[in-house]
Amino acid sequence: EAGVAQSPRYKIIEKRQSVAFWCNPISGHATLYWYQQILGQGPKLLIQFQNNGVVDDSQLPKDRFSAERLKGVDSTLKIQPAKLEDSAVYLCASSLRKGATTEAFFGQGTRLTVV
Amino acid sequence: GEDVEQSLFLSVREGDSSVINCTYTDSSSTYLYWYKQEPGAGLQLLTYIFSNMDMKQDQRLTVLLNKKDKHLSLRIADTQTGDSAIYFCAFMDTGRRALTFGSGTRLQVQP
Repeated sequence: EAGVAQSPRYKIIEKRQSVAFWCNPISGHATLYWYQQILGQGPKLLIQFQNNGVVDDSQLPKDRFSAERLKGVDSTLKIQPAKLEDSAVYLCASSLRKGATTEAFFGQGTRLTVV
Repeated sequence: GEDVEQSLFLSVREGDSSVINCTYTDSSSTYLYWYKQEPGAGLQLLTYIFSNMDMKQDQRLTVLLNKKDKHLSLRIADTQTGDSAIYFCAFMDTGRRALTFGSGTRLQVQP
């Protein structure tokens, strides 16, 4: 079974530029999560999708971050414009159904450096 | 919301047992988890325990849950160099139905 795929693995941008991350969840997984992991901290939930609908985006800085999950499969997370404090690893995870976190699988993440 | 605390660092010798601790504030979580993160890798679910259990053993891993003290621990028996990683405790936020993580404990295993 293929795991959660994320790209790119690494990205370096200057502040005020824009960036996008892509996630392909495990086939058949209805729930998709984006987490932000700042160095030295645990992952923090940014947004949760159930199929193509947003379940929770209360922690997403909506003035600069946006995410979508067209057709309920792949998802993209965008930052525009980026700030220095956005430097982090962005992790995507998927699970079979909402709340079934015993079945959540994480991708390797995208490491973003904003200079 | 959940407030989760972990010690930052633990160093043990190969073959010894490791005990990683976690304290939390919200006791409504149904599941409590331990994840492992190796350098440059995503999070790997190691084990989990239901909130109505006190202990769960899975090969070299033992999870202990003290609900009265809101304390969760992970014991790794016969620790190997391959166990060197960051370990996160995590809880399912019952309101948001998503995982809330601690800050992680870096385990260093010395040969």
